[in-house]
Amino acid sequence: EPEVTQTPSHQVTQMGQEVILRCVPISNHLYFYWYRQILGQKVEFLVSFYNNEISEKSEIFDDQFSVERPDGSNFTLKIRSTKLEDSAMYFCASSVTIQPGLGTDTQYFGPGTRLTVL
Amino acid sequence: QKEVEQDPGPLSVPEGAIVSLNCTYSNSAFQYFMWYRQYSRKGPELLMYTYSSGNKEDGRFTAQVDKSSKYISLFIRDSQPSDSATYLCAPNTGNQFYFGTGTSLTVIP
Repeated sequence: EPEVTQTPSHQVTQMGQEVILRCVPISNHLYFYWYRQILGQKVEFLVSFYNNEISEKSEIFDDQFSVERPDGSNFTLKIRSTKLEDSAMYFCASSVTIQPGLGTDTQYFGPGTRLTVL
Repeated sequence: QKEVEQDPGPLSVPEGAIVSLNCTYSNSAFQYFMWYRQYSRKGPELLMYTYSSGNKEDGRFTAQVDKSSKYISLFIRDSQPSDSATYLCAPNTGNQFYFGTGTSLTVIP
């Protein structure tokens, strides 16, 4: 069964450093998402991406964050200058469409990348 | 007001019990109501979803939505130890999902 994959599974970085989190969405999916989950807290939406541009973003997704689909398979989240509060599990998700009623708007999640900022 | 409210639990039940998990939401534009299950250190996986109000059954799981009261429920019949996980409700309009905090469930053999 196709699945979303993410690398690395755990990333440790120093405050102020740049990190890139990588995701490989399911191959026929067109919509891509990043979420984060701070330990013990709820899953929070960061950004959605379609047709090589951002569709929606939350207040959390400020200028420190950027997303990119550098090739036909990868989808990346970059944090330019990490802060302690960026420590969280970051989940990538993908879906075929967002059209209501077709069932194809279901988002499938990857296993996550645990980011630890020291 | 939070978009989605969910009792975080933890909830502990004996094997075979009926489990009721609930969420409330505030946005009347939500049309899709997903339930995700999240095992420790794993990403959320879709359990089932319903569209608009009503019930949907899938094996031991039943999802209910009451849009008039903005109340979402997931029932698990004959609960099994393998059901032990965190259950997340995620109402949405399509593009952006709003997750509840999740309810931690432990089914004791």
